Amino acid sequence: QQPVQSPQAVILREGEDAVINCSSSKALYSVHWYRQKHGEAPVFLMILLKGGEQKGHEKISASFNEKKQQSSLYLTASQLSYSGTYFCGTEIPQGAQKLVFGQGTRLTINP
Amino acid sequence: DAGITQSPRHKVTETGTPVTLRCHQTENHRYMYWYRQDPGHGLRLIHYSYGVKDTDKGEVSDGYSVSRSKTEDFLLTLESATSSQTSVYFCAISEFGAEQYFGPGTRLTVT
Repeated sequence: QQPVQSPQAVILREGEDAVINCSSSKALYSVHWYRQKHGEAPVFLMILLKGGEQKGHEKISASFNEKKQQSSLYLTASQLSYSGTYFCGTEIPQGAQKLVFGQGTRLTINP
Repeated sequence: DAGITQSPRHKVTETGTPVTLRCHQTENHRYMYWYRQDPGHGLRLIHYSYGVKDTDKGEVSDGYSVSRSKTEDFLLTLESATSSQTSVYFCAISEFGAEQYFGPGTRLTVT
């Protein structure tokens, strides 16, 4: 079952912070985050494994709450280059080696 | 960048005709995936492969078949194209079923 992302879209000014959430109705074993710029292929950002792990990538970090079956992506001091659509992907069931992606969150950063 | 190519990059075809899309990798990765991307639906898995001649269905496999006779090539076939199969198709590869690297995509229009 497809994870649910929120918000569906967000518009920020450069330098502002954003949070993108990914929730699942099923138990999560890992969460993947990808970013896709318009007209391009999705690009891998990071993987989080169960255990409440946090990871960072530049000024982008993420958390994974296994009990709440959700993950959040944090973008701090956003840059124009952060614009794009962000997707979370969940591995269900564990070890399936395949992902179910959320519907995406469109992030627009304005100068 | 991971060596993944897709061909053709653009195709227009008529309803009822067969269509084959090709994904080629030079990374020798074990896992290969076919996704379709439509507005509001994110990325949906069609089929995937976990080795030569080893394939399995994804979320939206009806109307599609795949074949993998060599590690580097993963073919997606629409036996009889329909207008509902108009979409952007992405191929992805993964070494251990972890982070996925996406190809540039194929835009298919069925008239």
